Amino acid sequence: EAGVTQSPTHLIKTRGQQVTLRCSPISGHTSVYWYQQALGLGLQFLLWYDEGEERNRGNFPPRFSGRQFPNYSSELNVNALELEDSALYLCASSLGLAGDTLPVFGPGTRLTVL
Amino acid sequence: AQSVTQLDSHVSVSEGTPVLLRCNYSSSYSPSLFWYVQHPNKGLQLLLKYTSAATLVKGINGFEAEFKKSETSFHLTKPSAHMSDAAEYFCVVSSRGSNYKLTFGKGTLLTVNP
Repeated sequence: EAGVTQSPTHLIKTRGQQVTLRCSPISGHTSVYWYQQALGLGLQFLLWYDEGEERNRGNFPPRFSGRQFPNYSSELNVNALELEDSALYLCASSLGLAGDTLPVFGPGTRLTVL
Repeated sequence: AQSVTQLDSHVSVSEGTPVLLRCNYSSSYSPSLFWYVQHPNKGLQLLLKYTSAATLVKGINGFEAEFKKSETSFHLTKPSAHMSDAAEYFCVVSSRGSNYKLTFGKGTLLTVNP
């Protein structure tokens, strides 16, 4: 069974640019979560999508947004990139509520903002 | 609201000696608790989970954790460290009160010395 996949694996952008990160969940999983892992800050929850709808949002500015498609894959968009957006962005998927199922994480996308 | 505190940012042990990684949690609702491990340049892997069943939870690679409600703790232990255990470990809490959002601790870096 294929795991959670993310693309691209690495990305370099400059300040002010926009970026789109992609995530494909495990087959059958309907929930997708996005996390930011910045140096020294640990993992910060960004967004949770389930059945195509945004279910929960972390404490991030509106320039962080995303969506989930009918096939349950997801995109994370970041506009007006800032230097502090440099981080590993992790996607996870699960069957539904995190309390009942095990979120499985992808390998992440390493974003560097210059 | 929920939160998790990993009491040590860095733990160093010798190969063959016991490992103890400490975690305290706070949750207004009955929590689910997890430990994840992240090896260098790899994604997050679930070690074990507690979801209101047995309080002593056994995970992969010889790790186990004990849920102690009176102490609001969920410490991770292993009787004998192996070089391959060197990684960063994250304690995670989830509950109905936070809409099952995963809240991560800041991580504990485990170093295993030969």
